[in-house]
Amino acid sequence: NAGVTQTPKFQVLKTGQSMTLQCAQDMNHEYMSWYRQDPGMGLRLIHYSVGAGITDQGEVPNGYNVSRSTTEDFPLRLLSAAPSQTSVYFCASSTSGLLNEQFFGPGTRLTVL
Amino acid sequence: DQQVKQNSPSLSVQEGRISILNCDYTNSMFDYFLWYKKYPAEGPTFLISISSIKDKNEDGRFTVFLNKSAKHLSLHIVPSQPGDSAVYFCAFSGNTGKLIFGQGTTLQVKP
Repeated sequence: NAGVTQTPKFQVLKTGQSMTLQCAQDMNHEYMSWYRQDPGMGLRLIHYSVGAGITDQGEVPNGYNVSRSTTEDFPLRLLSAAPSQTSVYFCASSTSGLLNEQFFGPGTRLTVL
Repeated sequence: DQQVKQNSPSLSVQEGRISILNCDYTNSMFDYFLWYKKYPAEGPTFLISISSIKDKNEDGRFTVFLNKSAKHLSLHIVPSQPGDSAVYFCAFSGNTGKLIFGQGTTLQVKP
């Protein structure tokens, strides 16, 4: 099993550009989440999904969109990148809820100029 | 409004000694508490958890203590090893079902 994979590992964008961060898991987990990590802020939940076709907002959802068309994939879209979105983004999955052990991907380091 | 605080950004400990990492929280609705460990350039990995009905949970060298009256969570690592050097995050959940993470504490274990 590859676990949770994320692409790309690094990305540099200009303000106003859009892009999609990819996340995939091969563990047949129902729950998937996106977090961002900023210095001194810990990990903050952006969006999450409890199953295919179902998504909901987390703590910091503004400027991001998600969709969950399959169990395996949970892409995160930045609609119009801003410097405030410079961060490290982590995708995570878990079997039966956000309360249980979450498996994290290796992260995507995004810089918005 | 920070619901979770890890007041020590960093901690340095000698190999073989005890490492104690602390978290304070304000939300009395939290009922499940977790610790995650993170190495550079990797995603966090789950370490240990405890529910609100317990005050202690052990897993090998790692023990988590919960003091509900003080709203305080701690992680003890005994004995500490150089491979334990990492960033440690506490995480909490309550009736919203979402995890709230602390700011992280960087542990350095010196040989």
